[in-house]
Amino acid sequence: NAGVTQTPKFQVLKTGQSMTLQCAQDMNHNSMYWYRQDPGMGLRLIYYSASEGTTDKGEVPNGYNVSRLNKREFSLRLESAAPSQTSVYFCASSAQGTPEAFFGQGTRLTVV
Amino acid sequence: AQSVTQPDIHITVSEGASLELRCNYSYGATPYLFWYVQSPGQGLQLLLKYFSGDTLVQGIKGFEAEFKRSQSSFNLRKPSVHWSDAAEYFCAVTGGGNKLTFGTGTQLKVEL
Repeated sequence: NAGVTQTPKFQVLKTGQSMTLQCAQDMNHNSMYWYRQDPGMGLRLIYYSASEGTTDKGEVPNGYNVSRLNKREFSLRLESAAPSQTSVYFCASSAQGTPEAFFGQGTRLTVV
Repeated sequence: AQSVTQPDIHITVSEGASLELRCNYSYGATPYLFWYVQSPGQGLQLLLKYFSGDTLVQGIKGFEAEFKRSQSSFNLRKPSVHWSDAAEYFCAVTGGGNKLTFGTGTQLKVEL
């Protein structure tokens, strides 16, 4: 039972570098999400994809792009990393018709 | 816009004592409400959810929560806390779309 799988688990970037966070789910869910978690701020939605082929901005989209590659995969790209993007990133998915979300284990990203 | 307030940042209880974590939400119609738990270095695990019907919902690990519309609250309770319950707890709300809005979390410490 893999559920939601994120790679990598840890990453250190230099300011200005780019990288892509990968997320895959094997639950045949339609909707997928990217959140960031910062101390004292809970989880904030970056982008989401209600279904394959669609993406929409969440609460904090600036500095990020996403791709819904297929029904299983939803990637998050940082084009030019900044120290303010140091955070723990969570991918989640949910089935059509229900908001119950299942989360991956997270990617801890540090930008120096 | 929907929002969630968790007024307690940290709570410490003794093992065996009862627990109540507070959650207040803001949403114009009937909300969907969730409690998630996050152990250190892990992703979020769903404890319980409220969609409709009985306002007292049971979850995993002996937790329960009560939806009180008049107070816009969804407090999490457990009669007897175990040391393994030490974690961070997040309340979340959505209005039927699939985008969850999270509170800032409550860190639970259990004293032996």
